[in-house]
Amino acid sequence: KNQVEQSPQSLIILEGKNCTLQCNYTVSPFSNLRWYKQDTGRGPVSLTIMTFSENTKSNGRYTATLDADTKQSSLHITASQLSDSASYICVVSAKGAGNKLTFGGGTRVLVKP
Amino acid sequence: DTAVSQTPKYLVTQMGNDKSIKCEQNLGHDTMYWYKQDSKKFLKIMFSYNNKELIINETVPNRFSPKSPDKAHLNLHINSLELGDSAVYFCASSQDGGGAWETQYFGPGTRLLVL
Repeated sequence: KNQVEQSPQSLIILEGKNCTLQCNYTVSPFSNLRWYKQDTGRGPVSLTIMTFSENTKSNGRYTATLDADTKQSSLHITASQLSDSASYICVVSAKGAGNKLTFGGGTRVLVKP
Repeated sequence: DTAVSQTPKYLVTQMGNDKSIKCEQNLGHDTMYWYKQDSKKFLKIMFSYNNKELIINETVPNRFSPKSPDKAHLNLHINSLELGDSAVYFCASSQDGGGAWETQYFGPGTRLLVL
């Protein structure tokens, strides 16, 4: 069964600090992995997308890494800002599954001043 | 100039009622989706339409019936609402046939509460 697990469930960080979110998946055969940001009361917005041959991809202060061998990904937020407070969702797509995505439960990040 | 819009944003109703949620996208995309986000925040796909044709229909009770009058609209009608239907429902769209590499653009969600 395809699954995506994220940790921690939630975390609180001080403004300006860095943090790293984890994602483990069992989706097979693997096609690509996305990280989405979901602000409270809004729909998810895509941050990055990576295939198995990509180890790292950045979008501003967000850097995603992927280890296709261990089926793990991480999202690193550098110099956090108050606007980074949101849920971050790891989403994995399987080959041949078309547009059927497997979503993780998300990590809720709260950035405090 | 909202890309994917949903109405209503909030919906509170009694068990047994029938209700509809509307979705419209102005991105010119060919594929639209409905997702359900449960209390644990997992998003699960319910339906997907490409150019008004149903391409994904997950194991959703047949009380849920999607309707796509044109490729810019995908509405969700729910009959005989049950307590377990309480969730946030998201509409999304993607540009082409909905392949694994397409980015999906999500609407703001409709928060449904069944009493």
